[in-house]
Parts: sequence; structure tokens; C-alpha cells
Amino acid sequence: GAVVSQHPSWVICKSGTSVKIECRSLDFQATTMFWYRQFPKQSLMLMATSNEGSKATYEQGVEKDKFLINHASLTLSTLTVTSAHPEDSSFYICSARDAGVQPQHFGDGTRLSIL
Amino acid sequence: AQKVTQAQTEISVVEKEDVTLDCVYETRDTTYYLFWYKQPPSGELVFLIRRNSFDEQNEISGRYSWNFQKSTSSFNFTITASQVVDSAVYFCALSEARRAQKLVFGQGTRLTINP
Repeated sequence: GAVVSQHPSWVICKSGTSVKIECRSLDFQATTMFWYRQFPKQSLMLMATSNEGSKATYEQGVEKDKFLINHASLTLSTLTVTSAHPEDSSFYICSARDAGVQPQHFGDGTRLSIL
Repeated sequence: AQKVTQAQTEISVVEKEDVTLDCVYETRDTTYYLFWYKQPPSGELVFLIRRNSFDEQNEISGRYSWNFQKSTSSFNFTITASQVVDSAVYFCALSEARRAQKLVFGQGTRLTINP
């Protein structure tokens, strides 16, 4: 079946560092990828929708200059958390879907801890 | 506006008991999709089922069954003869066809199956 790979699975870094998270679709072309954030014991909240070859669409309240999204190919989207601070510590998870395939396929997530 | 409500924050049962997880949704769309995902402690999201708004037929998959009732806007999930491995957080989610199929998640229900 379709597989989405997310890397890294765990990041610990100092405040002020920029962190890049990759989301790859391994056996299908993902025209659309989604980035979600999940704080401990809370639900998943959509941050942005990433479309190949165009600018990402951010949800209300998500800073686009803080969370840079690049979807340069049909198999790769990246999320960069710029100048990360402790409040950015969270579980970030991506999903991808083909043009006509449901449901979305999720990566295994990235646990980000900012010290 | 689309919204998913999982009123049960936590459920704890003894192994072999049956348990039902409730999900109530709100949408103005006539075409939408409903999902259930399982999130074990490791964090990844495991897809369980998708149901579209035009298919109210209930479904059974092994020990799992789903009851979709449009009249009450509910999509409940029942685990029969629960097992310890069923312990996880379960999310119900809604996707509207006109909203680029973005997923809106419920708050999640933490299910603990005790031996």
C-alpha cells in the first residue's frame, strides 16, 4: 500500500535553531500534502496545505514566516521551523494523497523538542 | 462550519468487554467523508475506516464495527471483545469535498484496555 515517510522522527535542539522536517511519498505522486501539529494530549490541528509547484495555504493563526513549507516535487514536501523556541515543541505529522485516492496517508510524525 | 465532537475523553475497560466510541459531526456539505484513526503510544496514525456521506451502510471488520447515522450526525465505533493491544487514542475525523479534503479531527478518545 501507499507509504509516507517522514524524517527525522525525533529532534532535540537549542532555542533559535531552524529545523527542517521532510515528508516523502514513497510509491505514489502526492499532488497535495498536509502538515499537522499535535500538542501533548491534544488533537491534530491542520497547519497548512502544500500543493506541488505552488505556495502553501496556511490555516488561520499559523505564521507562514515561522513555518516555511516547500513542495518542490510530487514526492517531497518540507516543513522548516525557523528560529524555533520552546513553545514550538510539538509532534508534527504530515499526510499525503494522490489526486484521486482517499484516504490521506500519514507519516510517522516528528517529535520536536526545543530546549 | 465543520466540526467533530468526541465527548468521551477517556475510557477504561477490562479486557474482553465491548466498548463504543462516540463521534458526532457538523457540516453544511452534502458530500463529505468520515474517518476513524488509531494513534498508539508510538504516535503514528493508523487508518481504520473511511465512509462517504452517501453510504450509510454499517460496516464490520473483525472485532471492529461502525454505525453511521446521518439522522443524528453520528459515526460511532465499537470494539467487540476488546484486547490490551486496542489501547490507544482514537480519532474521528471529517473531510468536506469542497474544502480540498482537509481533515478536521475530533478531540480524540483515549482508550485503555486493562488485563
